[in-house]
Amino acid sequence: GDSVTQTEGPVTLSEGTSLTVNCSYETKQYPTLFWYVQYPGEGPQLLFKVPKANEKGSSRGFEATYNKEATSFHLQKASVQESDSAVYYCALSGGSNYKLTFGKGTLLTVTP
Amino acid sequence: NSKVIQTPRYLVKGQGQKAKMRCIPEKGHPVVFWYQQNKNNEFKFLINFQNQEVLQQIDMTEKRFSAECPSNSPCSLEIQSSEAGDSALYLCASRGQGPNERLFFGHGTKLSVL
Repeated sequence: GDSVTQTEGPVTLSEGTSLTVNCSYETKQYPTLFWYVQYPGEGPQLLFKVPKANEKGSSRGFEATYNKEATSFHLQKASVQESDSAVYYCALSGGSNYKLTFGKGTLLTVTP
Repeated sequence: NSKVIQTPRYLVKGQGQKAKMRCIPEKGHPVVFWYQQNKNNEFKFLINFQNQEVLQQIDMTEKRFSAECPSNSPCSLEIQSSEAGDSALYLCASRGQGPNERLFFGHGTKLSVL
């Protein structure tokens, strides 16, 4: 079946430093790749998605490139802010049943 | 703000009791999912529907859970006999039918089984 592996947390960074959260995936489908973010007490919300290989997605200064050859979709941000503190999930969707497969999440804490 | 409405936000049950939670998907979304999120933030897919029909479900859901998405009524997920290991956040999500559609999640129902 499908699987997603991402950087194990927690990750603690100082404001203004750069972030990379690694994500790799396995699937026999042609997936759409997603990054979701979850804040305490809420459900996950979409950060961005990339449906096509070799394309880049971005939102709020976060970005990731769908690398089909390397089966990777690493999340990056050049300068994190305290408000970026949350849990980040890499996910993929493929196949006829629309199921979204999540990684285990990476807890990011940004200190002032 | 999420347009997927889940009730109740919190649910406390004793072992062996039934636990039922509801979800109103976003208007116009024919595909509905239930996920279980444990205290380690890991997601477990439980079941999904397209309109009123089950698309896919896992063994646990088939044996101990009952779920439905009737037309013109909220979707529901019910645990027939709650176990301590069922304590988790239950997330409902909906999406449109296109190939690359995103999932919209509700805030979840946090179930505690004492």
